[in-house]
Amino acid sequence: GAGVSQSPSNKVTEKGKDVELRCDPISGHTALYWYRQSLGQGLEFLIYFQGNSAPDKSGLPSDRFSAERTGGSVSTLTIQRTQQEDSAVYLCASSESVGSGNTIYFGEGSWLTVV
Amino acid sequence: GQNIDQPTEMTATEGAIVQINCTYQTSGFNGLFWYQQHAGEAPTFLSYNVLDGLEEKGRFSSFLSRSKGYSYLLLKELQMKDSASYLCAAKDSNYQLIWGAGTKLIIKP
Repeated sequence: GAGVSQSPSNKVTEKGKDVELRCDPISGHTALYWYRQSLGQGLEFLIYFQGNSAPDKSGLPSDRFSAERTGGSVSTLTIQRTQQEDSAVYLCASSESVGSGNTIYFGEGSWLTVV
Repeated sequence: GQNIDQPTEMTATEGAIVQINCTYQTSGFNGLFWYQQHAGEAPTFLSYNVLDGLEEKGRFSSFLSRSKGYSYLLLKELQMKDSASYLCAAKDSNYQLIWGAGTKLIIKP
């Protein structure tokens, strides 16, 4: 696609429910990143994919968080048993690869509110 | 550990010039990025530096000194629409981006 596409753009869920966030990267981009940003805060790295593999999962906050990428394209971030502290905007980004000069392009984010 | 430092907030006047500084400490270095983020929106790419020196792009310029672990973003002829957060990020030896917390720039008429 022309840009990084994320869905849903907004999600309100009840505490304890599972949510699934989707990211469709720019066509041809092999690297895909997930970040979390709380209101007024900086970017918190969650996980990145090079192709379908995730070399670095160290940023996932807890075992309630998981992510997968299939076919080297679409990725889903799943949060199980959501908690109020999970409320944030979840940003997905992609780049041609993880190499030095490759710019990463962000999607518009999925705004998650846990009530 | 790896770290990016930038001021939390800066204020400048419309039409003036402002310089936003960023210092970084990373395990290896593979370039430095600046992004702009308006409130409620996603970050958008501004500049990339991997060699020492100044890169100019219209009203925005970015400078890098690898020996000092230092970069700055220079904004000239400030406009009200430049009010935003400016994020500095450095790529480490594993090509992972280390992000600063962002500098909120407030432009006053």
